Amino acid sequence: DSGVTQTPKHLITATGQRVTLRCSPRSGDLSVYWYQQSLDQGLQFLIQYYNGEERAKGNILERFSAQQFPDLHSELNLSSLELGDSALYFCASSVEGGPSGELFFGEGSRLTVL
Amino acid sequence: GENVEQHPSTLSVQEGDSAVIKCTYSDSASNYFPWYKQELGKRPQLIIDIRSNVGEKKDQRIAVTLNKTAKHFSLHITETQPEDSAVYFCAALPGTGFQKLVFGTGTRLLVSP
Repeated sequence: DSGVTQTPKHLITATGQRVTLRCSPRSGDLSVYWYQQSLDQGLQFLIQYYNGEERAKGNILERFSAQQFPDLHSELNLSSLELGDSALYFCASSVEGGPSGELFFGEGSRLTVL
Repeated sequence: GENVEQHPSTLSVQEGDSAVIKCTYSDSASNYFPWYKQELGKRPQLIIDIRSNVGEKKDQRIAVTLNKTAKHFSLHITETQPEDSAVYFCAALPGTGFQKLVFGTGTRLLVSP
């Protein structure tokens, strides 16, 4: 158990819909990262938050948005879903603003868009 | 920005053989190089890491080497076992700007009994 909690574990929805993925980082970790992993693909960095503020942005679509709340949990919002958005979405956390140490990954949220 | 290339994309070995996965990076200021193992359907987990002031690091059957001049680093697994079968990701942490790990594309290792 990494200490990073992601919900839901599985989600099936239809094209055009909107979903919210939730992540609770390890206790004490201020940074939260979101990654997308499509089938048999690598880890695509989406966005990073540090202590409530956006710190870095990767290949995140305009249909996607995220935020980190005062209690440090984070949510990734995916809207106008397309078939290609089906993927495993990982949240990770680390202690500092940058991962000078280990990144701890949650178990992921598997999104299936039908 | 930093770019990490990883080879091979797939690697099949017999149990007991050694496996080597290689990565190159582009940013000479990168200073931290972790390796993550991801079993099928599971989360990536750190298995070993190395910092730029060290050339080699070992942990039982796994080792990582770093060549800063050539900007490449490698993962070595000796005496492979079927449970080593997984996807392995290398990553590099750029030394400038807001820090975020840049991952390689992954290597699928299959260890056959």
